[in-house]
Amino acid sequence: DSGVTQTPKHLITATGQRVTLRCSPRSGDLSVYWYQQSLDQGLQFLIHYYNGEERAKGNILERFSAQQFPDLHSELNLSSLELGDSALYFCASSADRGQQYFGPGTRLTVT
Amino acid sequence: AQSVAQPEDQVNVAEGNPLTVKCTYSVSGNPYLFWYVQYPNRGLQFLLKYITGDNLVKGSYGFEAEFNKSQTSFHLKKPSALVSDSALYFCAVRDMRDRDDKIIFGKGTRLHILP
Repeated sequence: DSGVTQTPKHLITATGQRVTLRCSPRSGDLSVYWYQQSLDQGLQFLIHYYNGEERAKGNILERFSAQQFPDLHSELNLSSLELGDSALYFCASSADRGQQYFGPGTRLTVT
Repeated sequence: AQSVAQPEDQVNVAEGNPLTVKCTYSVSGNPYLFWYVQYPNRGLQFLLKYITGDNLVKGSYGFEAEFNKSQTSFHLKKPSALVSDSALYFCAVRDMRDRDDKIIFGKGTRLHILP
């Protein structure tokens, strides 16, 4: 158990809808990272927050947004969903610039 | 910008034989390098990292990796493979000079250990 929790585990929704994925980092970790994993694209870095502030952006679509709250949990919002957004979404946390600890992921299926 | 290459999509090794999973990287500054393993329907688990110091890094489950600056490589190795080592392995790099603090993952190498 990495200490990082993600909810929900599975999400099935229709095209055009909006969903919110939630991540709670390990106790004391200030950094939260979001990744998308799909079969053909591997693990894609989406965004990094540090202590409530956006630190880095990767291949994140404009339809996607994230935030980190004062209690350090983070949410990833996905809107106007398309079939191609179906993937595993992972969050990870870290205390410093060392290794990241990954949550179990949210499997999103868009139908 | 930093990048990571894992040239093999899949590696097959007989149980008991040594295994190597290859990784090469490109960064502007000095690298932080990582290996992670992913078992089916699970998140990624940290195996080992190189930040500075000895080029040979030892990690979890008997794995080790060798940092080679001249070849910009960080190959993962294990002297004797187990069937339970079968999984998806990711190499990752972070540029120490990158103020954006991004970590870039390779596409992954699927390791099959044959009994």
